[in-house]
Amino acid sequence: DQQVKQNSPSLSVQEGRISILNCDYTNSMFDYFLWYKKYPAEGPTFLISISSIKDKNEDGRFTVFLNKSAKHLSLHIVPSQPGDSAVYFCAARSGSEKLVFGKGTKLTVNP
Amino acid sequence: NAGVTQTPKFRVLKTGQSMTLLCAQDMNHEYMYWYRQDPGMGLRLIHYSVGEGTTAKGEVPDGYNVSRLKKQNFLLGLESAAPSQTSVYFCASGEQYTEAFFGQGTRLTVV
Repeated sequence: DQQVKQNSPSLSVQEGRISILNCDYTNSMFDYFLWYKKYPAEGPTFLISISSIKDKNEDGRFTVFLNKSAKHLSLHIVPSQPGDSAVYFCAARSGSEKLVFGKGTKLTVNP
Repeated sequence: NAGVTQTPKFRVLKTGQSMTLLCAQDMNHEYMYWYRQDPGMGLRLIHYSVGEGTTAKGEVPDGYNVSRLKKQNFLLGLESAAPSQTSVYFCASGEQYTEAFFGQGTRLTVV
């Protein structure tokens, strides 16, 4: 049973516009959430994280929002750039337990 | 500034052969993970370790064994390779409430 779900396999946006990537989770014990970006033939690289005690975390063009009651988090990229084109993975963990990932969303930013 | 290093980067095995994938990290992290990435399946956790001498099963542990005899190394073994184990394998390391750092991946083909 998948505990972290990314229901959109792909997303296409225009350069300069906002990209919104969504993630849902089922385990209410998750207390730490992360977003990773992955280019082909490379390992995933960390983007941004958020603890369950917060509802928003911002780092430059990237903002993550957490809605615990809905068990939902989202990653906003503003403004989107062609170099942001990659696969984005949502991940979550509960305490010292395993770090689990969603299936990923492929973002394409068109010039 | 090595970070997480995976050895080998590519390997072709025949069905029934065995092999060991090595992951080494130089960041003194307690947590280490092995994932596999398959098309449309995202990153699935095989096994993980929360400290030297400890291992635990992830989401897809069958057919794999692991060992963490030294803090900096996490070994993934395939005792009898099967075509279903053809995948890209990623190792990662981190701490409890920080991001995990990934290696560049090992592309394994079982024929």
